[in-house]
Amino acid sequence: EAGVTQFPSHSVIEKGQTVTLRCDPISGHDNLYWYRRVMGKEIKFLLHFVKESKQDESGMPNNRFLAERTGGTYSTLKVQPAELEDSGVYFCASSQVLSTDTQYFGPGTRLTVL
Amino acid sequence: AQSVTQPDIHITVSEGASLELRCNYSYGATPYLFWYVQSPGQGLQLLLKYFSGDTLVQGIKGFEAEFKRSQSSFNLRKPSVHWSDAAEYFCAVGLGMDSSYKLIFGSGTRLLVRP
Repeated sequence: EAGVTQFPSHSVIEKGQTVTLRCDPISGHDNLYWYRRVMGKEIKFLLHFVKESKQDESGMPNNRFLAERTGGTYSTLKVQPAELEDSGVYFCASSQVLSTDTQYFGPGTRLTVL
Repeated sequence: AQSVTQPDIHITVSEGASLELRCNYSYGATPYLFWYVQSPGQGLQLLLKYFSGDTLVQGIKGFEAEFKRSQSSFNLRKPSVHWSDAAEYFCAVGLGMDSSYKLIFGSGTRLLVRP
């Protein structure tokens, strides 16, 4: 069974540009999460989808971040326009039916904003 | 506010030595507790979890953790470290229920293993 995959693995962009990160969860997992780790600090929750619905987006930093989950399958996280402080590693995780089921993480996307 | 503290940023141990990584949490009720490991170039891998029951939890790769309610701690242990255990370790607390559930992570402990 394939795990959680994320694309790209690395992205380097300039301040003001747009970047879109993609996450493919484990097949059949209803719950999808985005987390971010900035500058070696703790990994922080961004948002939680249940199928295609945003269940909790309390961790989204500001309105420059937009997450979608089309048809309850893969998810994208768009940053527009990117700022220097957006640099970090963005992790995606998925879990089965219950949100309290174990979360399986992808390898992350390392975003560098210059 | 709920928080997770991993007081050791770096730990260095010799191969074959025992290991204990500390984790303390701040939460009113008994939370779900997790330890994840991130090896270089890899994603986060679940080592073990505690939901309820026996407070000593066995995980993969020979790791175990003990939940101590009185100390609000969930320390990770391994009796004999292998060079392949060099990685970054994250303690996490699962908070909320179905409608609003998330993991709160500590800042991580990087383990270095001396040959």
